[in-house]
Amino acid sequence: DADVTQTPRNRITKTGKRIMLECSQTKGHDRMYWYRQDPGLGLRLIYYSFDVKDINKGEISDGYSVSRQAQAKFSLSLESAIPNQTALYFCATSDSQGRGYTFGSGTRLTVV
Amino acid sequence: EDQVTQSPEALRLQEGESSSLNCSYTVSGLRGLFWYRQDPGKGPEFLFTLYSAGEEKEKERLKATLTKKESFLHITAPKPEDSATYLCAVQELYGGATNKLIFGTGTLLAVQP
Repeated sequence: DADVTQTPRNRITKTGKRIMLECSQTKGHDRMYWYRQDPGLGLRLIYYSFDVKDINKGEISDGYSVSRQAQAKFSLSLESAIPNQTALYFCATSDSQGRGYTFGSGTRLTVV
Repeated sequence: EDQVTQSPEALRLQEGESSSLNCSYTVSGLRGLFWYRQDPGKGPEFLFTLYSAGEEKEKERLKATLTKKESFLHITAPKPEDSATYLCAVQELYGGATNKLIFGTGTLLAVQP
C-alpha cells in the first residue's frame, strides 16, 4: 500500500459545486500538507497541519478549506468550485523536522 | 523573496548522453534542498535531500551536488526510463515551523533510445 493515498484520482465537477478531496497516510507523521500544481508554476502550498488541532493557511488558501479528522487523515474542500481551481492536487506528509517529505499520487480536478 | 529556478525547462538527450540539470536558489537560510522525480499524472517521488554545501549523493545514474547558490543533478549514461520531470525544492532554515517546500517549475527530461 502507498504511504500517502489520495482519493479520488480524477474528478470533473461543475462550477459552484462543493467537492472534497481526501488524503490518508501510513507514515505515522504529524505534519500533513496540501499542494496545488499548475503548469509553469510549480507546486504551491494551500494548507498545512501540524496535528489534529493545528491547521494553518498556506500561500494560496482562498477558496479552500481543510479538515484534519485524525493524525492520518487530512481532507481538502472546495466550497464552491470555480474553473481556475482546475489543477493537480497533492497531499504530502513529513515528520516534525520536515524530513521524510512524501507525496501522494495526486488528484486531477477539472472544474467546468 | 525566496526563489528556486530550474534550467533548462526541457532537455532532450540520446541514450547514453550524460548531462546536468541546474537548480539555483535564493533563500535566507537553507535547511535542505530536495530533488524529486515526477512521472506524468503521478506524485513527486523523492530522490535526494542535500543539507550543506559540498554534499553529494548518488543513486544509480543520478548524482546530486550542492553549493551555496545552486544544485546540480548529474545524469550519467541515461536510459529512456529516466525520462520524467525533475523537480527541485528548498526548505528554509528560518521559515518558522512551516517546513514548507518552495518548488521550482521543473526540468522535463526526454531520453531517446
